Formats: sequence, structure tokens, C-alpha cells
Amino acid sequence: KNQVEQSPQSLIILEGKNCTLQCNYTVSPFSNLRWYKQDTGRGPVSLTIMTFSENTKSNGRYTATLDADTKQSSLHITASQLSDSASYICVASSGGSYIPTFGRGTSLIVHP
Amino acid sequence: DAMVIQNPRYQVTQFGKPVTLSCSQTLNHNVMYWYQQKSSQAPKLLFHYYDKDFNNEADTPDNFQSRRPNTSFCFLDIRSPGLGDAAMYLCATSRDDGSNQPQHFGDGTRLSIL
Repeated sequence: KNQVEQSPQSLIILEGKNCTLQCNYTVSPFSNLRWYKQDTGRGPVSLTIMTFSENTKSNGRYTATLDADTKQSSLHITASQLSDSASYICVASSGGSYIPTFGRGTSLIVHP
Repeated sequence: DAMVIQNPRYQVTQFGKPVTLSCSQTLNHNVMYWYQQKSSQAPKLLFHYYDKDFNNEADTPDNFQSRRPNTSFCFLDIRSPGLGDAAMYLCATSRDDGSNQPQHFGDGTRLSIL
């Protein structure tokens, strides 16, 4: 069964600090992994997408890494801002399927 | 400009009173999805359309129905809402062409049941 596990469940940091969110997946055969940002009361918005051959992908202050061997991904946020407060969702897709598997998300709160 | 639009953003209905949520897209994507998301949980897929083909998830209650009259529009009908159906309902679209494009989500409809 395809699964995506995220940690931590929630995280509180001070503005300006860096943080790293973790994602472990068991999706077979693996096709791609995506990170979404979901602001409160809004729909998820795609941050990065990585395929099997990609190890890292950046989008501004967001950098995602992928280790296909260990089936792990991380999302690193640099110099956090108050607007980074949101839920970050890891989503994995298997080859030949257009139905992705969602993690439960990490709730990030950035305090001034 | 919003590419996946959901209406209304907030919907309040009475217990057992039918309700319809709508979704429209300007992306011309062939796949449209309906998800139910409860607080602090992952979105749960209810069903999806691949072009005109309807695909229901095995654990989606019969109380939930959907219609897709054309490529641009998709509706979620809840025939007899119960208190447990209070949630955020997300519509998403994607283009299934092997290009690994992400799903595009609307901002959701927050459904409350009185």
C-alpha cells in the first residue's frame, strides 16, 4: 500500500530561522514527489516537484531534496518569514498513476 | 488569475438538506478530482473524472455524488448531509500526459452543517 509519512506533525520557529521538514514515502513504482504549501483556508499550492533522477530542487527560499534509495525527502526553508506559516504537504506519485498519495502535512508556525 | 475556481467559498446547510458545490477550471485539464479535508488531516480523495469517465473511491459514501457536464465544470452533490460531512472540500485538476505536472487546487469550499 502506498504511504507518505511526514514529520514533525507541527513546528514552531522564530522569524528569520531556518527549518527542515521530513517526508518518508513508500510508493512503488516511484514517479515523482511534490511539496505543497497550504495556507489556512486555502487550497494547496505546488512548491516543488522532483522525479527519480533529481536530488534537489529550489524555489526561492524553499529547497527540496530527494533520496530515492532511502525513499526520503526534505523541505528546507531558509530565513523564515511570517508568511511561511502554513501546512506543508508531501505528495508522492507512482508511475502510471495520476492519483497521488498525500501525507498529513506539517503545520509550521513562524513567530515574530 | 485563479485557474481552478470553487463556489461558494463557505456553505452552511441544515442536517439532511441537499447541497451542491461547484468547481470550474480554465486550464483545459482532462482530470478533475474532489477531495474532502478535515482539520489537520490529509485530503481524502472522494472521486475523480478522467475526461468523462467517473471513478469512485471504494470508501466514498453513497451520499456523495458528482457530475461533470463538460471539461470545465464539475459538481459535488451531497444528498443528505450529516454532521460528519462538515469539512473543507477541495477541487483539483491535472493533465495526464506523462509530463509530471502537479495538481492545481481551488481554494476550497468550507461546508458547515447545522
